[in-house]
Amino acid sequence: SQQGEEDPQALSIQEGENATMNCSYKTSINNLQWYRQNSGRGLVHLILIRSNEREKHSGRLRVTLDTSKKSSSLLITASRAADTASYFCATDALDSNYQLIWGAGTKLIIKP
Amino acid sequence: EAEVAQSPRYKITEKSQAVAFWCDPISGHATLYWYRQILGQGPELLVQFQDESVVDDSQLPKDRFSAERLKGVDSTLKIQPAELGDSAMYLCASSRAGNSGEAFFGQGTRLTVV
Repeated sequence: SQQGEEDPQALSIQEGENATMNCSYKTSINNLQWYRQNSGRGLVHLILIRSNEREKHSGRLRVTLDTSKKSSSLLITASRAADTASYFCATDALDSNYQLIWGAGTKLIIKP
Repeated sequence: EAEVAQSPRYKITEKSQAVAFWCDPISGHATLYWYRQILGQGPELLVQFQDESVVDDSQLPKDRFSAERLKGVDSTLKIQPAELGDSAMYLCASSRAGNSGEAFFGQGTRLTVV
């Protein structure tokens, strides 16, 4: 079953612009993670935000978490062609045996 | 840098044949996951191991799929017989024990059933 829902499903922007993706989930969580997947490859962990955190930064990435709205956003600033990929959020629900529940992803295309 | 190893990278098989995938997690990672990912969708958990024990296999089609992790290290996922609808990417991931944190993924096995 998929708990997270990302939107938009697809996003195409010019290089240098900022990209924002959103994730909504259904149940209470321990943490929320964002992953990147290049075409035909495995997933790579980007950032983890815990349920008691509201914002986290890592390089050009900024993640926010609003547990009252059960939603998170991923902001990529100053996008580069290499950021072209699919981005997934995954939640670790309370009492879930550390199982990650995944959304369907946002496909991001950075136009040079 | 430690990685999750998966083989083969690509597999083409005829329907009704048997196929097997292998995964070697990062050393010391007690939790191992097998996911199936259909193009354009997120990963779907098939089975989760904690050491050699199955924690969750509720989404594993047990009439044709089996998974084992006999010594709590590497793992094998088998499909017998393969069906056309099994064509997908099969991903293995591992994480530290008792840690709802980062999962490390292998490169996956792209299965095509013809």
